[in-house]
Amino acid sequence: DSGVTQTPKHLITATGQRVTLRCSPRSGDLSVYWYQQSLDQGLQFLIQYYNGEERAKGNILERFSAQQFPDLHSELNLSSLELGDSALYFCASSVGGRGAEAFFGQGTRLTVV
Amino acid sequence: EDQVTQSPEALRLQEGESSSLNCSYTVSGLRGLFWYRQDPGKGPEFLFTLYSAGEEKEKERLKATLTKKESFLHITAPKPEDSATYLCAVQAVYSGGGADGLTFGKGTHLIIQP
Repeated sequence: DSGVTQTPKHLITATGQRVTLRCSPRSGDLSVYWYQQSLDQGLQFLIQYYNGEERAKGNILERFSAQQFPDLHSELNLSSLELGDSALYFCASSVGGRGAEAFFGQGTRLTVV
Repeated sequence: EDQVTQSPEALRLQEGESSSLNCSYTVSGLRGLFWYRQDPGKGPEFLFTLYSAGEEKEKERLKATLTKKESFLHITAPKPEDSATYLCAVQAVYSGGGADGLTFGKGTHLIIQP
């Protein structure tokens, strides 16, 4: 158990809908990262928050957004969902950011039908 | 653009048969190279971080090494429970955005047969 908690574990929704994925980082970790894993693209970095503020963006679509709350939990919002958004979404956390090893949650499997 | 290439894509070994997995990387400046293990349907599990060429780290049957262009994950006398996908990732030194996110390779799917 990495100490990173993600909910829900599975999510099935229709195209055009909006969903929210939730992540609770390890106790004491200030950085939260979101990644998308699909069969063809592998693990892709989406976005990072550090102590409540956005620190870095990766390959995140404009339809996707995230935030980190004062208690350090984070939410990833996915809107106007398309079939191609079906993937595993992982949250990871680390104590700091640069050079610090990140610990991953068990992921949310999103299926868009 | 940072790139990570892992080889082979898949590897099947007999129990006890040692081998090495390769991770080649291209990055403007390396802050760290990370190895993870991922079991099907689970999140990646952290194994090692390497920071500079010549560095080595060991954990049980696994040993990771780093050069200026690649990293190797050596598996000595593997057991069936070592079967998993092994992922390599780099974190680059940037002056702008994207500073802390990892760039992952597509992984090596390792199967250890009893």
